[in-house]
Amino acid sequence: AQKVTQTQTSISVMEKTTVTMDCVYETQDSSYFLFWYKQTASGEIVFLIRQDSYKKENATVGHYSLNFQKPKSSIGLIITATQIEDSAVYFCAMRTSSSFSKLVFGQGTSLSVVP
Amino acid sequence: EAAVTQSPRNKVTVTGGNVTLSCRQTNSHNYMYWYRQDTGHGLRLIHYSYGAGNLQIGDVPDGYKATRTTQEDFFLLLELASPSQTSLYFCASSVAGTTSAETLYFGSGTRLTVL
Repeated sequence: AQKVTQTQTSISVMEKTTVTMDCVYETQDSSYFLFWYKQTASGEIVFLIRQDSYKKENATVGHYSLNFQKPKSSIGLIITATQIEDSAVYFCAMRTSSSFSKLVFGQGTSLSVVP
Repeated sequence: EAAVTQSPRNKVTVTGGNVTLSCRQTNSHNYMYWYRQDTGHGLRLIHYSYGAGNLQIGDVPDGYKATRTTQEDFFLLLELASPSQTSLYFCASSVAGTTSAETLYFGSGTRLTVL
């Protein structure tokens, strides 16, 4: 069975600093995809960034990047130069080749960026 | 941009009540999903479908029925609502299930309260 775990319930950082949110996953599949989603204060959930298990390079989109450590089954989300509007709940999720129609989510991490 | 519309936005019912949550997507996506969001649990999959007339069981299906009447419309049914089903419900869709790389597009959510 697939499982995604986010142990950080909430994080608070100063504006313009860098933050890392942790996520570990469990799967028996050799091929899988890892996603990060952002839920804003309004409740809207949007896709941020994806890492393919077969790629060694860490994915980067804008000021979001990933720290993919495959031997540790870990996929951290790094936000650099944080802004107030980055305050949100961030979800890690996984989809595997044997269960490609299902996206399994972690518990979420609430990020607060303060001035 | 994918569009997923949920209705109603808020719903209050009593224990034992009958509730239907509606979801419509207008982008010809094959897959549609119903998730519930609860503090400490993140997003959990209730049911999903890969086309009209199809229904697949998710991870937390007990107490829920669902029906996909057309490619656009997916309904979640609570025939005997219980307080444990008080939650924030999200509908989502994705282009195809044949590749694990596809991301999900979410609706705005329905907040259900069962008294």
